[in-house]
Amino acid sequence: AQSVAQPEDQVNVAEGNPLTVKCTYSVSGNPYLFWYVQYPNRGLQFLLKYITGDNLVKGSYGFEAEFNKSQTSFHLKKPSALVSDSALYFCAVRDGYGGATNKLIFGTGTLLAVQP
Amino acid sequence: DTGVSQDPRHKITKRGQNVTFRCDPISEHNRLYWYRQTLGQGPEFLTYFQNEAQLEKSRLLSDRFSAERPKGSFSTLEIQRTEQGDSAMYLCASSSPGGGMTEAFFGQGTRLTVV
Repeated sequence: AQSVAQPEDQVNVAEGNPLTVKCTYSVSGNPYLFWYVQYPNRGLQFLLKYITGDNLVKGSYGFEAEFNKSQTSFHLKKPSALVSDSALYFCAVRDGYGGATNKLIFGTGTLLAVQP
Repeated sequence: DTGVSQDPRHKITKRGQNVTFRCDPISEHNRLYWYRQTLGQGPEFLTYFQNEAQLEKSRLLSDRFSAERPKGSFSTLEIQRTEQGDSAMYLCASSSPGGGMTEAFFGQGTRLTVV
């Protein structure tokens, strides 16, 4: 079964410093990986995805993620954190592809807190 | 606004009552998903529609839950005889055709509180 793990419940970083939010995955076959962000009492907003191609994927709001097949990781990164980046971040893997349901399997989330 | 719309945003109901939620997906999206999210957890898949056909239901979806998508447009999720354990955020998402490569767009969710 497909799964993702987010080993950190919370990440604290000072504004202006680089940030990393970790995600590892377990899939059979090629992984389709996604990052979403959730602000309080809101739905999820899509940030970026890895399907194929370059291992470094760029997304919204200056975020990027690095796909590492040997380490089965897909860490989210940003060179310089903003206080407004403080939110809950979810990594997800797509369950199946082609004719399958294509539902997302989510991690438990990582709360990012950026201190001014 | 052309995003996914959910109604209501909040619902408080007494245990044992029935509730119904509505989701309007992005108009050109033929795939529609319902997820449930409880505090401190990631969203969990409930059910999936491709056009009007319900193609998958999670084992989380007990007999008290039913979802429909008549005409392949909006969808409704009904919970009968609500229980306190049903309290959660119910999220709807839609995506365009394209296999597993297309991202899903989420609505803002309906927060259900069963008292």
